[in-house]
Amino acid sequence: EVQLVQSGAEVKKPGESLKISCKGSGYSFTSYWIGWVRQMPGKGLEWMGIIYPGDSDTRYSPSFQGQVTISADKSISTAYLQWSSLKASDTAMYYCARLRCGGDCSSYYFDYWGQGTLVTVSS
Amino acid sequence: SYVLTQPPSVSVAPGKTARITCGGNNIGSKSVHWYQQKPGQAPVLVIYYDSDRPSGIPERFSGSNSGNTATLTISRVEAGDEADYYCQVWDSSSDLSFGGGTKLTVL
Repeated sequence: EVQLVQSGAEVKKPGESLKISCKGSGYSFTSYWIGWVRQMPGKGLEWMGIIYPGDSDTRYSPSFQGQVTISADKSISTAYLQWSSLKASDTAMYYCARLRCGGDCSSYYFDYWGQGTLVTVSS
Repeated sequence: SYVLTQPPSVSVAPGKTARITCGGNNIGSKSVHWYQQKPGQAPVLVIYYDSDRPSGIPERFSGSNSGNTATLTISRVEAGDEADYYCQVWDSSSDLSFGGGTKLTVL
């Protein structure tokens, strides 16, 4: 059974750093892209970026480039989302999800999702 | 990035058919994927590649895509279908876009 298990909720102060995790199991972790998606309170889904754990190839949404860092440790089947200096506007639920494509790989979609990590940034 | 436009809300009576649209410039040339998100839960894939259903998704869920509009159709709507629905596309330049989401209310 494919599972993505995310780390627990975090409460941080502005300016602090943070790294949240997403551990995959039940499939070959190095063979699928993993993506991160932000959902601010009461708002929609926003794609942040993706990483291919097999070679750590990483792509960022232009909206999040330079704001966060996505990484992965394939030895422990875990992907990460990291901030160096949090802002109150980073308060949101963050989801990781497995990205896959269909037969011709002309398009990609998220087929499995983690349970989400709630990040609260408040002074 | 590619802009996807969804109506903020759709209402339907139980047993009727709900249609949720996703508009985009020549979206018919792209593959559209749909997600259902119930309150307090992670999104769930309900349609991929315009009209394919993952295992476990009822046949009541179907999709189509042509011209400038993709449509998620839910037949014989049930109370349990009440949720937010998001469309998504993948651009060949490794960019991904979500629609703004549609809240489906079952009357």
